[in-house]
Order: sequence, then structure tokens, then C-alpha cells
Amino acid sequence: GAVVSQHPSRVICKSGTSVKIECRSLDFQATTMFWYRQFPKQSLMLMATSNEGSKATYEQGVEKDKFLINHASLTLSTLTVTSAHPEDSSFYICSAAGWGGDNYGYTFGSGTRLTVV
Amino acid sequence: GEDVEQSLFLSVREGDSSVINCTYTDSSSTYLYWYKQEPGAGLQLLTYIFSNMDMKQDQRLTVLLNKKDKHLSLRIADTQTGDSAIYFCAETNSGNTPLVFGKGTRLSVIA
Repeated sequence: GAVVSQHPSRVICKSGTSVKIECRSLDFQATTMFWYRQFPKQSLMLMATSNEGSKATYEQGVEKDKFLINHASLTLSTLTVTSAHPEDSSFYICSAAGWGGDNYGYTFGSGTRLTVV
Repeated sequence: GEDVEQSLFLSVREGDSSVINCTYTDSSSTYLYWYKQEPGAGLQLLTYIFSNMDMKQDQRLTVLLNKKDKHLSLRIADTQTGDSAIYFCAETNSGNTPLVFGKGTRLSVIA
């Protein structure tokens, strides 16, 4: 089946630094990828929709200058948390949309636990 | 906007069947999914159903869709302790738009 690889799985960084999270579709091309944030014991909150070769569409309330999304190829999207602060600590999950073969629409990465100290 | 509702908790005994229910508001919903999330992990696709289907069975999992009532259910037969997790219902009306998620149902399996 479809596999989405997300790295790193866990990262601790100092306040004020930037962190990059990668999301790769391993065996299919994903023209659209989604980035979510999940707070403890809550559902996923959509941050942005990323289309290959174009600017990401951010949800209301999500700062596009803080959460930089790049979708440079059909298999890779990155989320960079710039000038991270403790309130950015969260679980970030990516998802790739792909259809055909064993792909049934939406495959999720394993998530990145970001802790800003 | 569109909404997906689920009960938050379900507790069952090992070996019994679990039924997790979900309702949604999008009348043009086309693709409906069930995902499983274990602590600290991403979402694992369990099963999916398209809006032109009423039922889908895959081993221990049975999905029922009542499109008229906009009701989706997931039945897990012979529930095991390894099934303890959070189960998310999600839907979308096209292949490249974001999924709308429910808040998740925490399933606890008692040995």
C-alpha cells in the first residue's frame, strides 16, 4: 500500500531556532499534501494544503510566515517552523493524497513531535 | 463549514464487538474513512467506503453507511486489547480536498 515517510519523528529545539519537517510519498506521486497539527487528546487541525509547484493554501489563523511550506516535487513537501517558541510545541502530521493501485486517497505520515524549550 | 461528530469514549470487553458511530453533515460527501491512532503515532488507515456503497467488510472490520441519515459506523469483531486506540472518522467530497475529521473515539478494551 501507499507509504508516507515523515522525518524527524521527534525533535527538541531551542526557542528562536527553526525546524524543518519532511514528508515524502515513497511509492506514489502526491500532487497534494496536507499539514496538520494535533494538540494532546484532540483531533487533527488542518494547517495548510500544499500543491506541487504552487504556493500553499493556509487555513485561517495559521501564520504563513511562521509555518513555511514547500512542495517542490511530487514526492516531497516540507514544513519549516521558523523562530520556534514553546507554544509551537505540538505533534505535526502530514498527509499525501494519491489515487490508483493500492492508494485510496489519503495516507498519513507517522508524525513529528516538536518540543521547543 | 462541514462537521463530523463522534462519541468520545467507548469501552468494551475483550472478545466482544465494538461499534463506533459517526455522523456527518456534508450531503455531497463522497469518500469516508476510518483511521486508527495509537499513542504518539500517526494515523493508520483502517478502511474506507465510497458513497455509492452501503457496506464494506474487511476481515474483522465492517463499515456501514447510511447516506440518507449521514451515518457511518465501524464494527470491530472479536475486539482485542491491541485494538485500544483512538478511532477517527473522516470524510471529503473530492479526491484532493482536505479531510474533515471527527474528534475521535477513544476505544478501551478491557481484558
